[in-house]
Amino acid sequence: QKEVEQNSGPLSVPEGAIASLNCTYSDRVSQSFFWYRQYSGKSPELIMSIYSNGDKEDGRFTAQLNKASQYVSLLIRDSQPSDSATYLCAVNTFLSGGYQKVTFGTGTKLQVIP
Amino acid sequence: KAGVTQTPRYLIKTRGQQVTLSCSPISGHRSVSWYQQTPGQGLQFLFEYFSETQRNKGNFPGRFSGRQFSNSRSEMNVSTLELGDSALYLCASSHGLAVGEETQYFGPGTRLLVL
Repeated sequence: QKEVEQNSGPLSVPEGAIASLNCTYSDRVSQSFFWYRQYSGKSPELIMSIYSNGDKEDGRFTAQLNKASQYVSLLIRDSQPSDSATYLCAVNTFLSGGYQKVTFGTGTKLQVIP
Repeated sequence: KAGVTQTPRYLIKTRGQQVTLSCSPISGHRSVSWYQQTPGQGLQFLFEYFSETQRNKGNFPGRFSGRQFSNSRSEMNVSTLELGDSALYLCASSHGLAVGEETQYFGPGTRLLVL
């Protein structure tokens, strides 16, 4: 089982629709969760971070975290063609001795159709 | 505040050669992590440096090494290059406090092609 799993897609949604991206993780002690957007040929850029169970909203983006189910999702409302990119889920686990371990999923490719 | 910078941006090498990549973190950040990104494997963690010490390491062979200087700048070295080392190498910086909220910020990457 992969530590962080995402559906590779592509996920195709029409412009203006809600895009729902999902991520599951295996380590129950993971504490911080991040969504990055990566355009083709570019480096990942942070969209959202979430640390507590529930929803966190930032503009058109909403991150949802359910630690009991080991599940984190990203909703993009009013999807735009400029949202077309690969979305990476990252899970941060703090280990003993002050170390941290960051594990990325392989990403979900989102295509927003005009 | 300036972002993470990486040099060079593109590099072409041949098998057997070695290469050194450089990363300058955001001012005030003491942690630098290195990742390898390939189409098939995604983002894979190489190692993390904090205050000139490697404190975390991924599952890569010893040909991959790194170091960090007192100004937090970091270098990554790959010796005896193989074709499979062709990838985008990304570095990410953070405060490195490893408590509470900790966000990594990525540099633009170095694209390495091994022929």
